[in-house]
Amino acid sequence: NAGVMQNPRHLVRRRGQEARLRCSPMKGHSHVYWYRQLPEEGLKFMVYLQKENIIDESGMPKERFSAEFPKEGPSILRIQQVVRGDSAAYFCASSPGKGTGELFFGEGSRLTVL
Amino acid sequence: AQRVTQPEKLLSVFKGAPVELKCNYSYSGSPELFWYVQYSRQRLQLLLRHISRESIKGFTADLNKGETSFHLKKPFAQEEDSAMYYCAISNFGNEKLTFGTGTRLTIIP
Repeated sequence: NAGVMQNPRHLVRRRGQEARLRCSPMKGHSHVYWYRQLPEEGLKFMVYLQKENIIDESGMPKERFSAEFPKEGPSILRIQQVVRGDSAAYFCASSPGKGTGELFFGEGSRLTVL
Repeated sequence: AQRVTQPEKLLSVFKGAPVELKCNYSYSGSPELFWYVQYSRQRLQLLLRHISRESIKGFTADLNKGETSFHLKKPFAQEEDSAMYYCAISNFGNEKLTFGTGTRLTIIP
């Protein structure tokens, strides 16, 4: 089991461009979580998805950010019209949804906005 | 709202000395508390959860509801314990975690 795979690992965008971050959960996991880590801060919850459904998006900024987890393929976190403040590490985690509290994390995608 | 506070950003301890990483929380309801660890060049991973009441790699953590604390302890530090440690909280049975800002533990040989 390769674990949670995130790509790209590093992404550089200019202000106003779009950023797409992908996450493939561990095999057998149907629950995906996205977290953002700003410099000097802890991981902040963004969104929780199950296949084809957004369960909790209470941590997502109201504008420019969206997430999906289609029936086939990876989960995608999309940031439109990026601004410098979006520069951060974005982590994806998956779980089988058994309520144990154990999330399996990817290595993260580091977004830099110039 | 849930909140997790880790007051120490950095902690250095000599090898063989006791370690205590502090974690305080604020929560209404039945919280579940966790410690996650990130070793150098590795992914963030679960170290232990309070409900399991187990010792992992010599670490233990006791949930103190009166003091709303969940400090991580180890009696004798080892060099391989150097890592970033995050305390986290969730609703019972819910896997949406709220993390603290983390403590970087360095074990001095």
